[in-house]
Amino acid sequence: DQQVKQNSPSLSVQEGRISILNCDYTNSMFDYFLWYKKYPAEGPTFLISISSIKDKNEDGRFTVFLNKSAKHLSLHIVPSQPGDSAVFFCAACMDSGYALNFGKGTSLLVTP
Amino acid sequence: DSGVTQTPKHLITATGQRVTLRCSPRSGDLSVYWYQQSLDQGLQFLIQYYNGEERAKGNILERFSAQQFPDLHSELNLSSLELGDSALYFCASSPGAGPGANVLTFGAGSRLTVL
Repeated sequence: DQQVKQNSPSLSVQEGRISILNCDYTNSMFDYFLWYKKYPAEGPTFLISISSIKDKNEDGRFTVFLNKSAKHLSLHIVPSQPGDSAVFFCAACMDSGYALNFGKGTSLLVTP
Repeated sequence: DSGVTQTPKHLITATGQRVTLRCSPRSGDLSVYWYQQSLDQGLQFLIQYYNGEERAKGNILERFSAQQFPDLHSELNLSSLELGDSALYFCASSPGAGPGANVLTFGAGSRLTVL
Protein backbone atom coordinates (compact mmCIF):
# COMPACT_ATOMS: atom_id res chain seq x y z
CA ASP A 1 0.00 0.00 0.00
CA GLN A 2 1.78 3.09 -1.29
CA GLN A 3 1.00 5.90 1.14
CA VAL A 4 3.24 8.40 -0.62
CA LYS A 5 2.80 8.78 -4.36
CA GLN A 6 4.84 10.52 -6.99
CA ASN A 7 2.82 10.15 -10.14
CA SER A 8 5.36 11.59 -12.55
CA PRO A 9 8.24 9.16 -13.09
CA SER A 10 10.22 11.75 -15.01
CA LEU A 11 10.44 15.47 -15.73
CA SER A 12 12.57 17.42 -18.19
CA VAL A 13 13.22 21.13 -17.71
CA GLN A 14 15.47 23.67 -19.37
CA GLU A 15 18.27 25.24 -17.40
CA GLY A 16 17.16 28.45 -15.72
CA ARG A 17 13.47 27.52 -15.68
CA ILE A 18 11.42 26.34 -12.72
CA SER A 19 11.16 22.64 -11.88
CA ILE A 20 8.04 21.56 -10.02
CA LEU A 21 7.94 18.08 -8.53
CA ASN A 22 4.70 16.84 -7.03
CA CYS A 23 3.83 14.40 -4.30
CA ASP A 24 0.56 13.14 -2.86
CA TYR A 25 -0.02 11.22 0.34
CA THR A 26 -2.95 9.27 1.70
CA ASN A 27 -2.28 9.08 5.44
CA SER A 28 -3.66 12.13 7.25
CA MET A 29 -1.55 11.19 10.28
CA PHE A 30 1.66 12.18 8.50
CA ASP A 31 3.02 15.34 10.08
CA TYR A 32 6.52 15.69 8.69
CA PHE A 33 7.53 15.71 5.05
CA LEU A 34 10.93 15.59 3.40
CA TRP A 35 12.51 15.64 -0.03
CA TYR A 36 15.61 13.64 -0.83
CA LYS A 37 17.81 13.77 -3.90
CA LYS A 38 19.61 10.74 -5.29
CA TYR A 39 22.45 10.56 -7.80
CA PRO A 40 23.41 7.25 -9.45
CA ALA A 41 25.56 4.97 -7.32
CA GLU A 42 24.94 7.09 -4.22
CA GLY A 43 22.50 6.95 -1.38
CA PRO A 44 19.68 9.50 -1.12
CA THR A 45 20.67 12.80 0.46
CA PHE A 46 18.39 15.06 2.44
CA LEU A 47 17.32 18.21 0.63
CA ILE A 48 14.54 20.04 2.48
CA SER A 49 11.72 19.34 4.91
CA ILE A 50 8.48 20.81 6.18
CA SER A 51 6.32 20.11 9.19
CA SER A 52 2.55 20.01 9.04
CA ILE A 53 2.23 23.25 10.98
CA LYS A 54 3.70 25.16 8.04
CA ASP A 55 2.63 25.52 4.43
CA LYS A 56 5.94 26.66 2.98
CA ASN A 57 9.63 26.23 3.64
CA GLU A 58 12.39 27.77 1.60
CA ASP A 59 16.09 27.02 1.38
CA GLY A 60 17.96 28.82 -1.34
CA ARG A 61 16.72 27.67 -4.73
CA PHE A 62 14.48 25.04 -3.16
CA THR A 63 10.99 25.65 -1.80
CA VAL A 64 8.56 23.06 -0.52
CA PHE A 65 4.84 23.79 -0.37
CA LEU A 66 2.38 21.76 1.70
CA ASN A 67 -1.38 21.67 1.15
CA LYS A 68 -2.74 19.58 4.01
CA SER A 69 -6.35 19.67 2.90
CA ALA A 70 -5.38 18.25 -0.48
CA LYS A 71 -2.73 15.96 1.03
CA HIS A 72 -0.31 17.32 -1.51
CA LEU A 73 3.16 18.76 -1.46
CA SER A 74 5.42 20.09 -4.11
CA LEU A 75 9.07 20.97 -4.51
CA HIS A 76 9.98 24.01 -6.57
CA ILE A 77 13.51 24.51 -7.85
CA VAL A 78 14.27 27.97 -9.17
CA PRO A 79 16.34 28.39 -11.22
CA SER A 80 17.00 24.81 -12.29
CA GLN A 81 20.61 23.86 -12.97
CA PRO A 82 22.09 20.88 -14.86
CA GLY A 83 23.59 19.66 -11.58
CA ASP A 84 20.05 19.24 -10.25
CA SER A 85 19.55 16.29 -12.61
CA ALA A 86 18.82 13.43 -10.22
CA VAL A 87 16.01 11.34 -8.82
CA PHE A 88 13.94 13.21 -6.24
CA PHE A 89 12.09 11.27 -3.57
CA CYS A 90 9.26 12.58 -1.47
CA ALA A 91 8.96 11.11 2.03
CA ALA A 92 6.64 11.42 5.01
CA CYS A 93 6.39 10.19 8.56
CA MET A 94 3.94 10.25 11.45
CA ASP A 95 6.08 10.91 14.44
CA SER A 96 9.48 12.02 15.50
CA GLY A 97 12.13 9.38 15.14
CA TYR A 98 10.13 6.90 13.10
CA ALA A 99 10.76 5.53 9.65
CA LEU A 100 10.07 7.51 6.53
CA ASN A 101 7.58 6.39 3.90
CA PHE A 102 8.96 7.12 0.46
CA GLY A 103 7.42 7.66 -2.94
CA LYS A 104 8.84 5.95 -6.03
CA GLY A 105 10.74 9.04 -7.10
CA THR A 106 10.75 11.47 -10.00
CA SER A 107 13.75 11.58 -12.31
CA LEU A 108 14.55 15.20 -13.13
CA LEU A 109 16.63 16.09 -16.16
CA VAL A 110 17.76 19.68 -16.52
CA THR A 111 19.01 20.39 -20.01
CA PRO A 112 21.41 23.22 -20.90
CA ASP B 1 30.90 10.63 2.50
CA SER B 2 27.64 10.61 4.47
CA GLY B 3 29.19 8.94 7.51
CA VAL B 4 27.03 5.83 7.09
CA THR B 5 29.13 2.89 5.93
CA GLN B 6 27.68 -0.14 4.21
CA THR B 7 29.49 -3.31 3.22
CA PRO B 8 29.71 -5.00 0.84
CA LYS B 9 29.00 -2.59 -2.00
CA HIS B 10 28.20 -5.40 -4.40
CA LEU B 11 27.25 -9.01 -3.81
CA ILE B 12 26.38 -11.74 -6.27
CA THR B 13 25.00 -15.01 -5.00
CA ALA B 14 22.75 -17.90 -5.97
CA THR B 15 19.17 -18.71 -5.11
CA GLY B 16 18.76 -20.47 -1.80
CA GLN B 17 21.85 -18.90 -0.30
CA ARG B 18 22.16 -16.61 2.71
CA VAL B 19 23.96 -13.26 2.91
CA THR B 20 24.67 -10.67 5.55
CA LEU B 21 24.77 -6.94 4.89
CA ARG B 22 26.54 -4.71 7.35
CA CYS B 23 25.97 -1.09 8.32
CA SER B 24 27.84 1.32 10.57
CA PRO B 25 25.73 4.35 11.43
CA ARG B 26 26.90 7.95 11.50
CA SER B 27 28.75 8.80 14.70
CA GLY B 28 26.28 9.70 17.44
CA ASP B 29 23.21 8.31 15.69
CA LEU B 30 21.22 5.78 17.69
CA SER B 31 18.65 4.72 15.10
CA VAL B 32 19.37 2.47 12.15
CA TYR B 33 16.93 1.81 9.33
CA TRP B 34 17.01 -0.69 6.48
CA TYR B 35 15.35 0.01 3.14
CA GLN B 36 15.05 -2.05 -0.03
CA GLN B 37 14.93 -0.51 -3.48
CA SER B 38 13.90 -2.93 -6.22
CA LEU B 39 13.68 -2.09 -9.92
CA ASP B 40 11.06 0.62 -10.56
CA GLN B 41 10.18 0.70 -6.89
CA GLY B 42 10.65 3.36 -4.32
CA LEU B 43 12.46 2.84 -1.08
CA GLN B 44 10.57 0.18 0.86
CA PHE B 45 11.05 0.36 4.61
CA LEU B 46 12.12 -2.95 6.12
CA ILE B 47 12.99 -2.42 9.77
CA GLN B 48 14.23 0.12 12.32
CA TYR B 49 16.37 -0.28 15.41
CA TYR B 50 16.89 2.27 18.13
CA ASN B 51 19.77 1.84 20.55
CA GLY B 52 19.80 -1.92 20.12
CA GLU B 53 16.07 -2.51 20.24
CA GLU B 54 13.70 -3.14 17.36
CA ARG B 55 11.47 -0.07 17.04
CA ALA B 56 9.40 -0.52 13.91
CA LYS B 57 8.83 -3.12 11.26
CA GLY B 58 7.83 -2.54 7.69
CA ASN B 59 7.52 -4.90 4.75
CA ILE B 60 10.22 -7.26 5.90
CA LEU B 61 9.91 -10.87 4.81
CA GLU B 62 10.17 -13.67 7.36
CA ARG B 63 13.28 -14.88 5.51
CA PHE B 64 14.96 -11.61 6.46
CA SER B 65 16.16 -10.63 9.90
CA ALA B 66 18.22 -7.86 11.38
CA GLN B 67 19.86 -6.81 14.59
CA GLN B 68 21.67 -3.86 16.07
CA PHE B 69 24.69 -4.55 18.21
CA PRO B 70 25.92 -2.76 21.37
CA ASP B 71 28.36 -0.72 19.27
CA LEU B 72 25.27 0.35 17.24
CA HIS B 73 26.31 -1.25 13.98
CA SER B 74 23.60 -3.29 12.34
CA GLU B 75 23.38 -6.38 10.18
CA LEU B 76 20.65 -7.44 7.80
CA ASN B 77 20.49 -11.16 7.17
CA LEU B 78 18.78 -12.42 4.04
CA SER B 79 18.22 -16.17 3.74
CA SER B 80 16.74 -18.64 1.25
CA LEU B 81 17.36 -16.04 -1.37
CA GLU B 82 15.10 -15.76 -4.38
CA LEU B 83 15.57 -13.99 -7.70
CA GLY B 84 13.14 -11.30 -6.55
CA ASP B 85 15.40 -10.38 -3.66
CA SER B 86 17.81 -8.77 -6.10
CA ALA B 87 17.79 -5.12 -5.12
CA LEU B 88 19.68 -2.23 -3.62
CA TYR B 89 19.63 -2.38 0.15
CA PHE B 90 20.14 0.92 1.91
CA CYS B 91 21.00 1.52 5.50
CA ALA B 92 20.22 4.88 7.05
CA SER B 93 20.77 6.36 10.48
CA SER B 94 19.37 9.23 12.49
CA PRO B 95 19.76 10.64 15.99
CA GLY B 96 16.57 8.75 16.80
CA ALA B 97 15.04 11.42 18.95
CA GLY B 98 14.96 15.18 19.32
CA PRO B 99 15.82 17.72 16.60
CA GLY B 100 16.79 16.08 13.37
CA ALA B 101 15.28 12.77 14.38
CA ASN B 102 13.29 12.56 11.18
CA VAL B 103 16.21 13.34 8.89
CA LEU B 104 17.77 10.09 7.81
CA THR B 105 21.32 9.92 6.55
CA PHE B 106 21.78 7.15 4.00
CA GLY B 107 24.70 4.99 3.11
CA ALA B 108 25.67 4.30 -0.50
CA GLY B 109 23.83 0.98 -0.51
CA SER B 110 24.64 -2.68 -1.05
CA ARG B 111 23.64 -4.05 -4.43
CA LEU B 112 22.54 -7.68 -4.17
CA THR B 113 22.21 -9.80 -7.29
CA VAL B 114 20.67 -13.25 -6.94
CA LEU B 115 21.29 -15.58 -9.89
